[in-house]
Amino acid sequence: DQQVKQNSPSLSVQEGRISILNCDYTNSMFDYFLWYKKYPAEGPTFLISISSIKDKNEDGRFTVFLNKSAKHLSLHIVPSQPGDSAVYFCAASKRGGNEKLTFGTGTRLTIIP
Amino acid sequence: NAGVMQNPRHLVRRRGQEARLRCSPMKGHSHVYWYRQLPEEGLKFMVYLQKENIIDESGMPKERFSAEFPKEGPSILRIQQVVRGDSAAYFCASSPPGEVKNIQYFGAGTRLSVL
Repeated sequence: DQQVKQNSPSLSVQEGRISILNCDYTNSMFDYFLWYKKYPAEGPTFLISISSIKDKNEDGRFTVFLNKSAKHLSLHIVPSQPGDSAVYFCAASKRGGNEKLTFGTGTRLTIIP
Repeated sequence: NAGVMQNPRHLVRRRGQEARLRCSPMKGHSHVYWYRQLPEEGLKFMVYLQKENIIDESGMPKERFSAEFPKEGPSILRIQQVVRGDSAAYFCASSPPGEVKNIQYFGAGTRLSVL
């Protein structure tokens, strides 16, 4: 049962344009949502998170949007840079602190120079 | 401040042998999580530990797998009598006490290959 889904395995975007990565979830108990970036042969690196009480969180070039009614979130990267080429994982957790993370299958983003 | 340290980075075992994976959390972090990533899949939760306690092992296979986080030393994920299906990347993550946003910091992983 895949509770967090990333339906696009890959995405290619021109350098300087906007990258939009999507994520859907099914468990209404999820309360925090996180995006991680992963380079080959490295561990995931935390990028940005959002609580279910918000619909938007911004950090520099990265913005995460949450639509609770649709159980959908998206990560926007503007402008996209070559160093953004990586696999991006969406993750979700329940309320409570120090909770386990449930990950999506990832989207491989390639930025074309 | 060193990040989460995992060793070894690569581990090769023959079927039936034991695999021991080690994880030292970030300084000040007392919560450790283990995840497994199979090829072309996302990370799957295995177990969550605090010092000397297993808090949640709901993702751990019932047989052959065990984990510990002793009072002194790193957390250990132990796989007995390994089979080819155990070949995967195993990631450890840590978080500080009271981490309400559930942000976890990951190590570089151990890539286990079973021949």
